[in-house]
Amino acid sequence: NAGVTQTPKFQVLKTGQSMTLQCAQDMNHEYMSWYRQDPGMGLRLIHYSVGAGITDQGEVPNGYNVSRSTTEDFPLRLLSAAPSQTSVYFCASSLHRDQPQHFGDGTRLSIL
Amino acid sequence: RKEVEQDPGPFNVPEGATVAFNCTYSNSASQSFFWYRQDCRKEPKLLMSVYSSGNEDGRFTAQLNRASQYISLLIRDSKLSDSATYLCDTGGGATNKLIFGTGTLLAVQP
Repeated sequence: NAGVTQTPKFQVLKTGQSMTLQCAQDMNHEYMSWYRQDPGMGLRLIHYSVGAGITDQGEVPNGYNVSRSTTEDFPLRLLSAAPSQTSVYFCASSLHRDQPQHFGDGTRLSIL
Repeated sequence: RKEVEQDPGPFNVPEGATVAFNCTYSNSASQSFFWYRQDCRKEPKLLMSVYSSGNEDGRFTAQLNRASQYISLLIRDSKLSDSATYLCDTGGGATNKLIFGTGTLLAVQP
């Protein structure tokens, strides 16, 4: 049982490039979410999904898009990378919004 | 006011000490509450769920105070291995957003 799998683990981008962070879970969880974590800022919610085909904005959605075409996958797309998006990104899933979340290992993203 | 607030610390305590953290939340409709532990540069991992009746697991006790809208985590007989950041998570109820506090850093000293 792999749990929540994030790829890539590390990435360096140039300003203006786009890329997709992948997230997959094999636990048949309804709820999935993306967070970014910056020093001293804790985890900030970017986007979340309560099921396939349903997504919504979190606390800091600007500059990011998501889609949820299947229960298993919840990719996060950076439209035009900016240095302010340098961060550690965590994907998480839970059976339901009222259940504890399981986190992936994180993606460490640097934008030059 | 932020939706979820925690004292960032650091809390520097000697081994064997008892330490307590609070996490206040502003959404009175929140239904689910959890404490997570995060080691440096690692992903958060569930430590405890927080129930209305309280929850105890070994040296760890979590409690919920709905009237004052906060949850607490008590660690007894602190170990060096307890050094980490402790995050609280509230959500559910009227909202689908699961919001974290900024985390409280605990450093247990030998």
